[in-house]
Amino acid sequence: EVQLVETGGGLIQPGGSLRLSCAASGFTVSSNYMSWVRQAPGKGLEWVSVIYSGGSTYYADSVKGRFTISRDNSKNTLYLQMNSLRAEDTAVYYCARGVVVAARTYYYYMDVWGKGTTVTVSS
Amino acid sequence: SSELTQDPAVSVALGQTVRITCQGDSLRSYYASWYQQKPGQAPVLVIYGKNNRPSGIPDRFSGSSSGNTASLTITGAQAEDEADYYCNSRDSSGNHLFGGGTKLTVL
Repeated sequence: EVQLVETGGGLIQPGGSLRLSCAASGFTVSSNYMSWVRQAPGKGLEWVSVIYSGGSTYYADSVKGRFTISRDNSKNTLYLQMNSLRAEDTAVYYCARGVVVAARTYYYYMDVWGKGTTVTVSS
Repeated sequence: SSELTQDPAVSVALGQTVRITCQGDSLRSYYASWYQQKPGQAPVLVIYGKNNRPSGIPDRFSGSSSGNTASLTITGAQAEDEADYYCNSRDSSGNHLFGGGTKLTVL
């Protein structure tokens, strides 16, 4: 069964660090692009970061320089290292498997999502 | 930076047809994907590419695209379709974007 399970969320003080993990099963994380998406309480989805199969990484402006996405192929796990956390980083964090289709018009989509892990930044 | 714009809320009578739109410059280069999210649940992919549905998504869901606008159409809306809907696309910088979401109410 294809599945993603996020762990690592919790309560952290402003300025602190946290590492989220996303364990994949049923597929290989390095064969797809993988994204982190977050949702603040009562708000919409916000894309956070992506790592492509080739290793390229991209970040939303709101987290650039503070968050780092990575993966461990041997553990088939995706990570999000979050430093200098702020109150506005409080959210449910989802990891998602992405698929790229190279056609006349490229398209990208996220077909498998985890259930999310909650990060609360508060003193 | 790029952005995707959606109407915040849309309503539809039970059994009628509703279209949810998403506008943004990135949609001229990349197809949108659409996600349904119900309260307390993770998002679920409902439409991707030109007009593709994942396995298990009812055929009353369809997608289309023209210029800078992508649309999600539900033909014969059901009570269980009441949810938040988000469009998503990549932009030319490699970033991925979500629209602000549309809350669909089925009357």
